[in-house]
Amino acid sequence: GAVVSQHPSRVICKSGTSVKIECRSLDFQATTMFWYRQFPKQSLMLMATSNEGSKATYEQGVEKDKFLINHASLTLSTLTVTSAHPEDSSFYICSAPPHEGYQETQYFGPGTRLLVL
Amino acid sequence: GNSVTQMEGPVTLSEEAFLTINCTYTATGYPSLFWYVQYPGEGLQLLLKATKADDKGSNKGFEATYRKETTSFHLEKGSVQVSDSAVYFCALSRVARGKLIFGQGTELSVKP
Repeated sequence: GAVVSQHPSRVICKSGTSVKIECRSLDFQATTMFWYRQFPKQSLMLMATSNEGSKATYEQGVEKDKFLINHASLTLSTLTVTSAHPEDSSFYICSAPPHEGYQETQYFGPGTRLLVL
Repeated sequence: GNSVTQMEGPVTLSEEAFLTINCTYTATGYPSLFWYVQYPGEGLQLLLKATKADDKGSNKGFEATYRKETTSFHLEKGSVQVSDSAVYFCALSRVARGKLIFGQGTELSVKP
């Protein structure tokens, strides 16, 4: 099946620094990618929809200036957590539906665990 | 708004026991329904799906039927294995390739 990768898989940073997380579709093109956040023992909450060539669409309550999203190409979306604070510590997951064909399936990356000290 | 509610976990079963994980949804129109599974240390994988009322999704011995009258999509398996231990998420999507709305997840632990 299709593969989505994320990098890094885990990152520890100091409070106040910025962290960039990459999401790549390895064998298909994705004009849209989704970024989710998952707290321990809880569900995935959609943060934003990343659109290739245009601005991301953020869900209500998500600060767009804090979580910067750039969909630079048909295979890469990046999420930058700016001026990270301990409350931003979480598991960040991206997903991508293949661009071509009618497919309901989305493919998920393995996630990035962020710890802000 | 659209939402998904799952039964709370964790669920602990013995090998070969029958499994049911309840899932109900609230949505306008006719959403597509999904079950995703997250094995320890791995990303989410699609387990099965159903795109219209009365459809039955099935995979790896798991089944779920899209019940519009009860707005439910319960996951069942007749005989669980230790390897089925994972977190299971019920989800819906209002449009094709659209964003997914997840339930809170149900952790399943199967003991030998």
